[in-house]
Amino acid sequence: ETGVTQTPRHLVMGMTNKKSLKCEQHLGHNAMYWYKQSAKKPLELMFVYSLEERVENNSVPSRFSPECPNSSHLFLHLHTLQPEDSALYLCASSQEGAVRTDTQYFGPGTRLTVL
Amino acid sequence: AQTVTQSQPEMSVQEAETVTLSCTYDTSESNYYLFWYKQPPSRQMILVIRQEAYKQQNATENRFSVNFQKAAKSFSLKISDSQLGDTAMYFCAFRGSNYQLIWGAGTKLIIKP
Repeated sequence: ETGVTQTPRHLVMGMTNKKSLKCEQHLGHNAMYWYKQSAKKPLELMFVYSLEERVENNSVPSRFSPECPNSSHLFLHLHTLQPEDSALYLCASSQEGAVRTDTQYFGPGTRLTVL
Repeated sequence: AQTVTQSQPEMSVQEAETVTLSCTYDTSESNYYLFWYKQPPSRQMILVIRQEAYKQQNATENRFSVNFQKAAKSFSLKISDSQLGDTAMYFCAFRGSNYQLIWGAGTKLIIKP
């Protein structure tokens, strides 16, 4: 379970704050993902990076800004969030990204609460 | 658009019983992959089992097996001899030609002692 780590595990922030979520993978993978998980809803894919290049951006509001400085690290920068952005944010990684058989490995998530 | 439906929001069974979680999906593609992921309380999401649409044989991993009915677009997960550690959210997911995982809303499974 330590293949993909996320920090912080819990975050409470006001709507005017700026914060960042961090994800690190120790599996030698080439693709990384950000998901939003809300209660009783399917996981929502936010961003995908393959070989440090963003390949998916599913109409996510600009108040979420991803950064992938290398294939092992992924950040999600947050600013002027809304209460409806409160959710569990999951990071995942996979070997190839654009392969149907690719298995995604998940981090433990960051529980975000926006006040 | 592809969709994945898990019709059972919550299920509960006694330890050692067999339980089946249902999943249906909608797609016009013929070659795709299906996955079951497990998310234990406060723990990481992990892959349980996966199935390629072209393989007629149902995938099996120890106590976990699937019933894949391609024509009916059904992909159920059977857990035999259920254990307390099987208590978790279970998510069904589909992956087709655009390589994105399409997820169901999940089924909360509770194994009672």
